[in-house]
Amino acid sequence: ELKVEQNPLFLSMQEGKNYTIYCNYSTTSDRLYWYRQDPGKSLESLFVLLSNGAVKQEGRLMASLDTKARLSTLHITAAVHDLSATYFCAVDIPSGSRLTFGEGTQLTVNP
Amino acid sequence: DVKVTQSSRYLVKRTGEKVFLECVQDMDHENMFWYRQDPGLGLRLIYFSYDVKMKEKGDIPEGYSVSREKKERFSLILESASTNQTSMYLCAVEREQTYEQYFGPGTRLTVT
Repeated sequence: ELKVEQNPLFLSMQEGKNYTIYCNYSTTSDRLYWYRQDPGKSLESLFVLLSNGAVKQEGRLMASLDTKARLSTLHITAAVHDLSATYFCAVDIPSGSRLTFGEGTQLTVNP
Repeated sequence: DVKVTQSSRYLVKRTGEKVFLECVQDMDHENMFWYRQDPGLGLRLIYFSYDVKMKEKGDIPEGYSVSREKKERFSLILESASTNQTSMYLCAVEREQTYEQYFGPGTRLTVT
């Protein structure tokens, strides 16, 4: 059974600071996804990582994938209040088309 | 991007009622999914469909059924709603090129 673990689950940080969210998974997979969810809203796709060593960046967020370590990171640079949300990672099982989600990391950026 | 719409944002039903939740995509993708999201439990897959009239159980199918008569439409059915089915229900569509899933706005269902 594929397990996906995120840490931390709760993160409170100040504007301007950097931080990293970690996503570990238990079974071989080459596909990892990051999503953002605002309170009361649905999930918005942020990044799709499809191979070992993949790195993607959008604004103040950068995601990377190490398939050998079964680890993905979401790095936040110089956080701003607008980044406050819950961030989920999700991993596709090897046979495809079934995502297993992490518990989510609730990020609060304080002024 | 794929546009995914769901029939209702908020729904209140009584115990024992039959409930239909509809999901429609604006493209021609094959794979569609129904999840429920609960605090502390994250997103859990209920059912998915990989083509018209084709379906597979997810992790928590008990108490639910699905229907896919047309490619663009995937319905989740609660045969006899119970209070433990109060939840946020999310539909998703997979884009084949990247396996990325696009989510609808969600339906918050309350069963009283």
